[in-house]
Amino acid sequence: EPEVTQTPSHQVTQMGQEVILRCVPISNHLYFYWYRQILGQKVEFLVSFYNNEISEKSEIFDDQFSVERPDGSNFTLKIRSTKLEDSAMYFCASQDRENTEAFFGQGTRLTVV
Amino acid sequence: AQKVTQAQTEISVVEKEDVTLDCVYETRDTTYYLFWYKQPPSGELVFLIRRNSFDEQNEISGRYSWNFQKSTSSFNFTITASQVVDSAVYFCALRVMLYNQGGKLIFGQGTELSVKP
Repeated sequence: EPEVTQTPSHQVTQMGQEVILRCVPISNHLYFYWYRQILGQKVEFLVSFYNNEISEKSEIFDDQFSVERPDGSNFTLKIRSTKLEDSAMYFCASQDRENTEAFFGQGTRLTVV
Repeated sequence: AQKVTQAQTEISVVEKEDVTLDCVYETRDTTYYLFWYKQPPSGELVFLIRRNSFDEQNEISGRYSWNFQKSTSSFNFTITASQVVDSAVYFCALRVMLYNQGGKLIFGQGTELSVKP
């Protein structure tokens, strides 16, 4: 069964460093998302991406964040200068059509020290 | 504004008991979707069900059933004859449709279900 794949599963980085979280969405899916979940809290929307551009972003998704779909298969989230409060589980999701369910990857746990 | 409320933070039951997880949502939009996702201890988010706002028919899938009531803005989830493997955090989510944008999911706080043998 097709699945969303995220790498790495766990990343530890020093405050101020740049990190890139990678995702391979399900092939032929058209809508892509990043969400984050701070430990023990609810899942929060960061950004959605459709037709090669950001379609919506949350207040969390400030200038430190960016997304790219560089080669038609990967979907990346970059955090330019990480802060301690960026420590969270980051989930990538993809969806084939507007009114269908989003499928999530297994997440990348980011720890900023 | 859209919001999802899962008032039950934690529920603990003994195996074979039935358990209902509550979900109440708020939206002014007439077209929306509701979802339930399961997050087992391993951390991934597993899709369980999707319901659109025009379909209030209840659904049953094995031991799982869902009750959608627009009159009370609720989308409750019942597990019949619970099993230890049902232990997880369960999230209810709302999606308001935006044309050609897919639509973000707005999650509730989650209910942690613990099923003891």
